[in-house]
Amino acid sequence: TQLLEQSPQFLSIQEGENLTVYCNSSSVFSSLQWYRQEPGEGPVLLVTVVTGGEVKKLKRLTFQFGDARKDSSLHITAAQPGDTGLYLCAAGNSGYSTLTFGKGTMLLVSP
Amino acid sequence: GAVVSQHPSRVICKSGTSVKIECRSLDFQATTMFWYRQFPKQSLMLMATSNEGSKATYEQGVEKDKFLINHASLTLSTLTVTSAHPEDSSFYICSASEQGASYNSPLHFGNGTRLTVT
Repeated sequence: TQLLEQSPQFLSIQEGENLTVYCNSSSVFSSLQWYRQEPGEGPVLLVTVVTGGEVKKLKRLTFQFGDARKDSSLHITAAQPGDTGLYLCAAGNSGYSTLTFGKGTMLLVSP
Repeated sequence: GAVVSQHPSRVICKSGTSVKIECRSLDFQATTMFWYRQFPKQSLMLMATSNEGSKATYEQGVEKDKFLINHASLTLSTLTVTSAHPEDSSFYICSASEQGASYNSPLHFGNGTRLTVT
């Protein structure tokens, strides 16, 4: 079983600030997904990265997969209150049907 | 896009009763569905993996006789919390992967069920 460490656990910032969330493991992943969950709802997929060193951008969100495929980061530029939510990273491996989820980062962006 | 419907969204029940939660894939066939439990501001804790037509696989520490899972069709899985107790109060979420999905395919989540046992 892979252990995914996410940091920070909680982050409270003002609108307009930048932030980075990290997802780390001692194991190698085949793929890494990032989800965002708003209160009272289920998680929604933001991105999937599969190649070491891969960088994907989704508007103000930048996702990076480490060269060794053991870590990933999510960077948000100019955060907005609508970015508030629980951010979860999830690792997948070939041959396994289940994803391993990190403990999540709770982000609160205040106006 | 793929939609997963979970019902009910909220349920309050008395201690000792049973509650059934449904998870439906509306526009795709899901050979595998997953059930999670989530505590406030925490991550998802996988309870069990439900495969259509076969017995569910439960994670360590999850009582299979208490959390009954049935996946009778490619579009429906149910979780029944039997003899519920206040400590079973939680947010339960299901997810489904499409038929033929691989390890890097997205999971489609329901909107969760808030269970309160009084």
